[in-house]
Amino acid sequence: GQNIDQPTEMTATEGAIVQINCTYQTSGFNGLFWYQQHAGEAPTFLSYNVLDGLEEKGRFSSFLSRSKGYSYLLLKELQMKDSASYLCAVSDSNYQLIWGAGTKLIIKP
Amino acid sequence: GAVVSQHPSRVICKSGTSVKIECRSLDFQATTMFWYRQFPKQSLMLMATSNEGSKATYEQGVEKDKFLINHASLTLSTLTVTSAHPEDSSFYICSASHSGRDYNEQFFGPGTRLTVL
Repeated sequence: GQNIDQPTEMTATEGAIVQINCTYQTSGFNGLFWYQQHAGEAPTFLSYNVLDGLEEKGRFSSFLSRSKGYSYLLLKELQMKDSASYLCAVSDSNYQLIWGAGTKLIIKP
Repeated sequence: GAVVSQHPSRVICKSGTSVKIECRSLDFQATTMFWYRQFPKQSLMLMATSNEGSKATYEQGVEKDKFLINHASLTLSTLTVTSAHPEDSSFYICSASHSGRDYNEQFFGPGTRLTVL
């Protein structure tokens, strides 16, 4: 079966760095997405990785290792507004997105 | 660019009535639209995938006669929840993708919160 695993909840301090991990087992791979979802709102796109390595975009970076079926989202200089759920999703062989359950990130002052 | 709108944003209805939700891609032609449902504190659950001009493909366990999907144009898809019941209360989100993109990024609408009394 297809499976996406990510921690249910994480807590971090304002100004710090946090890494949210995602492991996946899917039938085929056509890229991995990270989305941010604030409570009561729809997801918004953060990043896309299809090749191994690190993609940096401002305070957010995303890493992919296809051989390990592993990705992480790195958030630097955390701000209170970063409190949200972070969803990992993998595009499978049919280009269908397989969604993780999401990681709720709580930022404390 | 790549803006998706959804209407209404919130609806409250009586049990047994039908509710229609519209999803529009405002500045691009969406070759494929997706309908998701999300219950509180749970992840997105794909309900169906629809391509313009063809019948929607429903996920296992989703009743196609209860959740009617119409994708009549490249910019509009509708989801009709027929004979809604309290257990249908949820957050319904549509997304759209564009075949011209390098990758199949999905652009999400703002969601519709349905409450069935």
